[in-house]
Amino acid sequence: DGGITQSPKYLFRKEGQNVTLSCEQNLNHDAMYWYRQDPGQGLRLIYYSQIVNDFQKGDIAEGYSVSREKKESFPLTVTSAQKNPTAFYLCASSTTDAGYNEQFFGPGTRLTVL
Amino acid sequence: AQRVTQPEKLLSVFKGAPVELKCNYSYSGSPELFWYVQYSRQRLQLLLRHISRESIKGFTADLNKGETSFHLKKPFAQEEDSAMYYCALNSGYSTLTFGKGTMLLVSP
Repeated sequence: DGGITQSPKYLFRKEGQNVTLSCEQNLNHDAMYWYRQDPGQGLRLIYYSQIVNDFQKGDIAEGYSVSREKKESFPLTVTSAQKNPTAFYLCASSTTDAGYNEQFFGPGTRLTVL
Repeated sequence: AQRVTQPEKLLSVFKGAPVELKCNYSYSGSPELFWYVQYSRQRLQLLLRHISRESIKGFTADLNKGETSFHLKKPFAQEEDSAMYYCALNSGYSTLTFGKGTMLLVSP
């Protein structure tokens, strides 16, 4: 079930600590995305990147940061500024061909702040 | 601003019954709409998109611009259809705005 991998599957963090979630894809996709999934809230876009070394804020970027140094990698850092970080985080990727392109999702990382 | 509304958090039906998962949207331009599905212990995946006008696993969805709706329908539900269903709208640059999701439970 390769394509997009996320690690770790479960992550625990103490309050006040930054933590980085990994997302890697071998689909040769230019675009990558980070979503947060909360019960009853659906998926909300945190950050996205259409090309290496460039990224844009999504709807709920506050308290998060990303980097895109390599095409295949798009790590997400949850900083101590994020007020409610406990959630399920999903990474996705797609091509950037003309028109809409299907997003392929990773298995997710569940982050719990203790 | 774009918005996707799925009014039902949970829809419970018996096997063989018809299913309709509701989705309404708000968007100023020409919308591109999708249904994504997440089966238990599986990844979120695309079920269908309105442009293709195809039937996937017996599901269909018609875009109704007058009612700003994109309801997902299946005439006879199966137990394996039990999953979380998300309606989504293309927000530009291939980003998606998702609804809050509807859990479909199909009982034997």
